[in-house]
Amino acid sequence: GAGVSQSPSNKVTEKGKDVELRCDPISGHTALYWYRQSLGQGLEFLIYFQGNSAPDKSGLPSDRFSAERTGGSVSTLTIQRTQQEDSAVYLCASSILQSPSSPLHFGNGTRLTVT
Amino acid sequence: GENVEQHPSTLSVQEGDSAVIKCTYSDSASNYFPWYKQELGKRPQLIIDIRSNVGEKKDQRIAVTLNKTAKHFSLHITETQPEDSAVYFCAAADSSYKLIFGSGTRLLVRP
Repeated sequence: GAGVSQSPSNKVTEKGKDVELRCDPISGHTALYWYRQSLGQGLEFLIYFQGNSAPDKSGLPSDRFSAERTGGSVSTLTIQRTQQEDSAVYLCASSILQSPSSPLHFGNGTRLTVT
Repeated sequence: GENVEQHPSTLSVQEGDSAVIKCTYSDSASNYFPWYKQELGKRPQLIIDIRSNVGEKKDQRIAVTLNKTAKHFSLHITETQPEDSAVYFCAAADSSYKLIFGSGTRLLVRP
């Protein structure tokens, strides 16, 4: 079946512009995560959606970052007034959460470059 | 919130040797500890995981150990092969399933 799909795969934007990154999780997966991976760095937690619960936004680095998940499926991560330090790969993952060991399924990521 | 530290950041071993990667976590409520492998240019993928009611788990050449008292867990790879070369991430989650990852270990297996 289809995996987690992210678009665009690459995005180059000018400093100060807004960008939207999209994630289509695996159908039926109730949990959706956004992580940021800077070059050669680890996976930085950004935000987590679980079913109909309020999202855990504790990892968002600033108020320029926001995310929503419509209808419990597709999610959009928005970065306003982009800065050069926002350049990174943004990874989305989803999980079925029916058991404690339900693995995260990652998308291929969106590589964001802010010039 | 949870904080996960991972060591070493890079590890180079000779093919056939063992590799050990260690992680510590801060939140005593965490009860799920997966390990992900990310090959160059690819997405992270789960390779093994352990829950807090288990001290050790093994899957062929890969094993994970957990010391809940000390709040640390380790990944052990035996008889390493060149295809084991990748970045490995540990992670910890509590009952909310929010996964916090370590900073990663770049493993290089020299043929």
